Amino acid sequence: DVQLLESGGGLVQPGGSLRLSCAASGFTFTNYAMNWVRQTPGRGLEWISSISGSGSSTHYADSVKGRLTISRDNSKNMLYLQMNSLRADDTALYYCANTQHWGRGIVVTVSS
Amino acid sequence: EIVLTQSQVSLSVTPGQPASISCKSSQTLLHSDGKIDLYWYLQKPGQSPQLLIYEVSRRFSRVPDRFSGSGSGTDFTLKISRVEAEDVGVYYCMQGMLLPITFGQGTRLEIK
Repeated sequence: DVQLLESGGGLVQPGGSLRLSCAASGFTFTNYAMNWVRQTPGRGLEWISSISGSGSSTHYADSVKGRLTISRDNSKNMLYLQMNSLRADDTALYYCANTQHWGRGIVVTVSS
Repeated sequence: EIVLTQSQVSLSVTPGQPASISCKSSQTLLHSDGKIDLYWYLQKPGQSPQLLIYEVSRRFSRVPDRFSGSGSGTDFTLKISRVEAEDVGVYYCMQGMLLPITFGQGTRLEIK
């Protein structure tokens, strides 16, 4: 069965950093572009970043450009999101996903 | 940015009755290759979104055949032929044709 398991979330102060990880299994990881999507009660589902299967192409939402960096390690079937200069409005439930499957999500709270 | 509008915030349906959820796009979602990158997801209470329909009308694996998708251009519909109790949750449409990937606001299905 396909599994996407996020980790690395938690509480961080404004301006701080966090690195999210997503362990993928049950499918050929390199064949799929991967995404990070976040969810809040107020903004609903918000796509924030994508990376191609090879990792050579990345894309970001304007709201996170320059602060968040997506990457992947295909040798380990891992997806990452390096989050810097975090703001209160980055507080959300973060999902690792491709178009077919989503992880359970990990909570990131930015607060002093 | 492509805006997806789900006009129904919620609907309440008697088990065994049909349900229909609409999604309107601010731009056509037709790729040059003829595909339409329109997806439907169901987020059950306490769970992450799960794929129901991709490319407008293709059912994902193990999705019951009571779910069907239709539409073209900018107007799309998800239909449930006979609602069951397990269908409760929030239904989202999503477009993957143009970055940023965007989602509808969601339609909550409740059982009467």
